[in-house]
Amino acid sequence: DARVTQTPRDKVTEMGQEVTMRCQPILGHNTVFWYRQTMMQGLELLAYFRNRAPLDDSGMPKDRFSAEMPDATLATLKIQPSEPRDSAVYFCASGHTGEFNTGELFFGEGSRLTVL
Amino acid sequence: GQQVMQIPQYQHVQEGEDFTTYCNSSTTLSNIQWYKQRPGGHPVFLIQLVKSGEVKKQKRLTFQFGEAKKNSSLHITATQTTDVGTYFCAGTNAGGTSYGKLTFGQGTILTVHP
Repeated sequence: DARVTQTPRDKVTEMGQEVTMRCQPILGHNTVFWYRQTMMQGLELLAYFRNRAPLDDSGMPKDRFSAEMPDATLATLKIQPSEPRDSAVYFCASGHTGEFNTGELFFGEGSRLTVL
Repeated sequence: GQQVMQIPQYQHVQEGEDFTTYCNSSTTLSNIQWYKQRPGGHPVFLIQLVKSGEVKKQKRLTFQFGEAKKNSSLHITATQTTDVGTYFCAGTNAGGTSYGKLTFGQGTILTVHP
């Protein structure tokens, strides 16, 4: 079965360290989303790409977060420097979207980040 | 910006009781999707509604999309312990600038007591 793969599954780091999360979307999907999930904020959209082009990263703190898609098989989300408030589960999801509609999204297992 | 609100935030039911969660958008949607997330898991797609007034059923689950395409509901008949989880709605804003941006509601956490 095709699935979205995320690494690492769990990451514990100290404040100030750089964190990189990786996502391999399902082959053939043209859109990749990064969401952050916390108890307080639910599922927040951080950034998303369509055909590898960044479309919207308004949900992402620009001073410390960056998202890239160097090729069709890899999306990355980087936090530098990390802070305790970044502790959350980060989900990558891929799907096929048209100009106005998004199809079914397939989520990865998530990367649980703890910043001490 | 677009906001998608869900109520209630929590719902506790006895097994066999019905359950409903409601989703409201601040803007007109081109489509709405529903996802289920089991505790410790990831969101899993349930269904997509596209047409105004659309109603779809999946066994004990009934999904509705409002006439104005700004609200939706998920109703579960005779809940079972396997229905436990968080139910999310997610919508794409109607209009030419959305480019498929999918915004999630806060989710409704359902617990079912046997």
